[in-house]
Amino acid sequence: SQQGEEDPQALSIQEGENATMNCSYKTSINNLQWYRQNSGRGLVHLILIRSNEREKHSGRLRVTLDTSKKSSSLLITASRAADTASYFCATSRYSGSARQLTFGSGTQLTVLP
Amino acid sequence: DTAVSQTPKYLVTQMGNDKSIKCEQNLGHDTMYWYKQDSKKFLKIMFSYNNKELIINETVPNRFSPKSPDKAHLNLHINSLELGDSAVYFCASSQGVGGEYEQYFGPGTRLTVT
Repeated sequence: SQQGEEDPQALSIQEGENATMNCSYKTSINNLQWYRQNSGRGLVHLILIRSNEREKHSGRLRVTLDTSKKSSSLLITASRAADTASYFCATSRYSGSARQLTFGSGTQLTVLP
Repeated sequence: DTAVSQTPKYLVTQMGNDKSIKCEQNLGHDTMYWYKQDSKKFLKIMFSYNNKELIINETVPNRFSPKSPDKAHLNLHINSLELGDSAVYFCASSQGVGGEYEQYFGPGTRLTVT
C-alpha cells in the first residue's frame, strides 16, 4: 500500500518565491528521502533525512522531519523555472526481511518565469 | 558515462507478445531494482536484487520475470503482455540494500501495449 502522501498534489508559483511541499506517512520509518523527477526523466535523489534528525539543508533545499506527526516538508527557496518538476517523498521501511523505499504520489511543482 | 541506462526507451507492442527491458549500471552498486510508474505517477517497487540474489519480490504477476546475469545488469522479461502493463518502468541501483541509501534511477522505458 502507498506509504507517503504528498500535499499539495500540484503547486504553481512565480520565480523567486519559496515552494513548500509536505509529505505524511503512516508507519515508523528508518529514514525519509526526497526525489525530483523532471518530465520524461528518471528520479533524481535530493536529500535523505534519518529518523533521528529534525532538519537538513542542501543548497536551496531545506527538509524537516517530525516523526511524532509522521510528516516531512521540503522547502525550495528562491525558486527557478528549472525547479519545475514532480517531487516525491520516499520512506524506508521493512518489507518482509528487506528494507525498501515506498514512494508517495508526488507534488507537481510549476515555477512560472 | 551514464550511471544507470535502460534499453529501449520506448516500447510499443501488442497484447500477448513477450518483451524484455535491459538495465545496466556502471556505479559499482550491489543492489538493483525495477519500479513501475503508472499514469498517475505512482511509483511502485516490483523487484530488488542484491549481489544477483532476489531480495524483494512484490505482488507482481508471474508474467514478469527479472534476471540478473551479474551485479551490473538487471533485465526484466514480460510474457503475454496485457493492456494494464502499459506504464513507465524504471531501473534503479543503490550502494546497499534498499532504503538506507540513495537510489540512482535510469531514464525509464515507456511501455505501451495496444
